Amino acid sequence: AQKVTQAQTEISVVEKEDVTLDCVYETRDTTYYLFWYKQPPSGELVFLIRRNSFDEQNEISGRYSWNFQKSTSSFNFTITASQVVDSAVYFCALSDRMRGQNFVFGPGTRLSVLP
Amino acid sequence: DSGVTQTPKHLITATGQRVTLRCSPRSGDLSVYWYQQSLDQGLQFLIQYYNGEERAKGNILERFSAQQFPDLHSELNLSSLELGDSALYFCASSVGNLWSNEKLFFGSGTQLSVL
Repeated sequence: AQKVTQAQTEISVVEKEDVTLDCVYETRDTTYYLFWYKQPPSGELVFLIRRNSFDEQNEISGRYSWNFQKSTSSFNFTITASQVVDSAVYFCALSDRMRGQNFVFGPGTRLSVLP
Repeated sequence: DSGVTQTPKHLITATGQRVTLRCSPRSGDLSVYWYQQSLDQGLQFLIQYYNGEERAKGNILERFSAQQFPDLHSELNLSSLELGDSALYFCASSVGNLWSNEKLFFGSGTQLSVL
C-alpha cells in the first residue's frame, strides 16, 4: 500500500535558521510522483513542488530546496534562512497508479518560525 | 488565488441533517477531487470525478455522495450528519486525471461544524 510518513509533528525555529522537513514514502510502483504542499494559517493548500520518480535531481527555488533520494525513499524539504511567513503546516504527498486512492498525503509537519 | 471556488466557507448544522458543499474547478480543469481534513485523520481523499464520471474512490462514507455536473462543477452531499463529520472539506481540480503528471489546485475549503 502507498504511505507517506512525516515523522516531525511540530518544529519550531528562530527566524533566519535553516530547517529541514522530512518525508518518507512507500510505494510498490516504479513510477510515481511526489509533492509538497503548504497550508498557511489561512487554511488553503498551496502547491510547492512536484517530482517524478525518474528525476532524482535535487531542486532549488529561492530559499526552498528539495532532496529526493530513491535509495532511502525520502523526499526532504529544506527552507534556508527561514522567515515568519514560512510558518505553516507542510504536507508531503504521493501519487501512483493504485486504484481508489491516487493521491495520499502525509500527516503534515507544523512549522513555527519565531521572530 | 488557485482559481478553485468552494461555497460556503463555513457551515454550521445539527446532527442528522444533510448539507451540500459546492465546488467550481479552475477554468479548463476536468477533474475534481474532494478531501476531508480533520485533526485526527489528517487529509483524507474522498472521491474524484473526471469529466462527469466517477474516477476514483477513497475513504468516503456511504452517507456521503458526490457528483460532477455537465458544467464541471461538483457537489458533495453529506447526510445523516454526525459530530465526527465536523471537518474542513477541500475541493481540488486538475486538467485531467492526476496520473497524467499534473498537480492539484485546491480551493480554500468549507469548514463544516456539526453540533
